[in-house]
Amino acid sequence: EADIYQTPRYLVIGTGKKITLECSQTMGHDKMYWYQQDPGMELHLIHYSYGVNSTEKGDLSSESTVSRIRTEHFPLTLESARPSHTSQYLCASSQDTGHNEKLFFGSGTQLSVL
Amino acid sequence: AQTVTQSQPEMSVQEAETVTLSCTYDTSENNYYLFWYKQPPSRQMILVIRQEAYKQQNATENRFSVNFQKAAKSFSLKISDSQLGDTAMYFCAFMNQGGKLIFGQGTELSVKP
Repeated sequence: EADIYQTPRYLVIGTGKKITLECSQTMGHDKMYWYQQDPGMELHLIHYSYGVNSTEKGDLSSESTVSRIRTEHFPLTLESARPSHTSQYLCASSQDTGHNEKLFFGSGTQLSVL
Repeated sequence: AQTVTQSQPEMSVQEAETVTLSCTYDTSENNYYLFWYKQPPSRQMILVIRQEAYKQQNATENRFSVNFQKAAKSFSLKISDSQLGDTAMYFCAFMNQGGKLIFGQGTELSVKP
């Protein structure tokens, strides 16, 4: 049922590299989100978007940036990866139909920065 | 500030028995949504059940049901006839009218054979 895709599934990269985590959904949802989660810990909202050209920072400060040029695409970029960025990143989308708000999550990207 | 609190970091239950996971939240809004999400070892979040705050009737999805107490700002999840596949992290979440989703700390549930 869920048509939201994240790539890559796993990424191991060296310090200082620029990386982009991809997130795409084929459901035409207006709202998209990025969450960061460390093992066994709660999810923290780092970015969200309510539509094209709309992006906002979440509750947890993040050095990453996002863009929303197309409805279906919400990539997250780290200009210079550091070991402190090692975490799981979860993308989600939703469509507010007034009475049927429902979120869909991607499979996540497990990022390891060496 | 809106917050979600899950006071049980870990819980365990015997297979086929019933378990209840607690969740409380804080908000000044009147209309909002509440969710329970399951996160198995695969790490993908799976929606378990959803409740609209304007509905007084408790949501039910097969073996999963909630006890929604709006005045007390409580939203507990009851899992009946627990199965081994129910072993996972469970997150309670609150979404305000603006669409901002806030998660609790999670409860790690272990179902034992």
